[in-house]
Amino acid sequence: GENVEQHPSTLSVQEGDSAVIKCTYSDSASNYFPWYKQELGKRPQLIIDIRSNVGEKKDQRIAVTLNKTAKHFSLHITETQPEDSAVYFCASLRGGYQKVTFGIGTKLQVIP
Amino acid sequence: NAGVTQTPKFQVLKTGQSMTLQCAQDMNHNSMYWYRQDPGMGLRLIYYSASEGTTDKGEVPNGYNVSRLNKREFSLRLESAAPSQTSVYFCASSEGGGAPLHFGNGTRLTVT
Repeated sequence: GENVEQHPSTLSVQEGDSAVIKCTYSDSASNYFPWYKQELGKRPQLIIDIRSNVGEKKDQRIAVTLNKTAKHFSLHITETQPEDSAVYFCASLRGGYQKVTFGIGTKLQVIP
Repeated sequence: NAGVTQTPKFQVLKTGQSMTLQCAQDMNHNSMYWYRQDPGMGLRLIYYSASEGTTDKGEVPNGYNVSRLNKREFSLRLESAAPSQTSVYFCASSEGGGAPLHFGNGTRLTVT
């Protein structure tokens, strides 16, 4: 089955700096890659996603890049703010299937 | 429009007791999922239902059973609770086929 590795497990940045979280996947048939943000005590919520026919997608301060050849994708957050502090999960989905596989999560701390 | 509703929010069980976690969605989604979240292990899929009338095992199905009662409702049953099942349980739904997951608020279960 699919295996998703995520790193780092924890990340501390100064407010205003950029943060990058990286994930690799094992199944070359995976074609959908969402990112979820989970604030403390809350449910995970989708922040951005990318499909395999696209190399990069941006939404304001958040961007995701995908390298299908290397089977890795990354989340980039620019101009970080304290409200960006949360746990971020990457995930992947194989085309034609319904099982979404998650990485172990990255705890991001933005220091004011 | 409530989204995904889970009950109960908190539960404490003794080893060997049984209980059912309830989940309902009002978004007319085809697919529904049960995940458990443990520190350092991310979100692991227990069972999922790709459509009404079907259920399939995920990564960690042992000790659990599920029922897709109708399109709206997907319940998770613990027949004989064990301390290893202490976790936060999230129900989620999606349109399927690479659509984002919508999570409920979670159930925090403690088995003593």
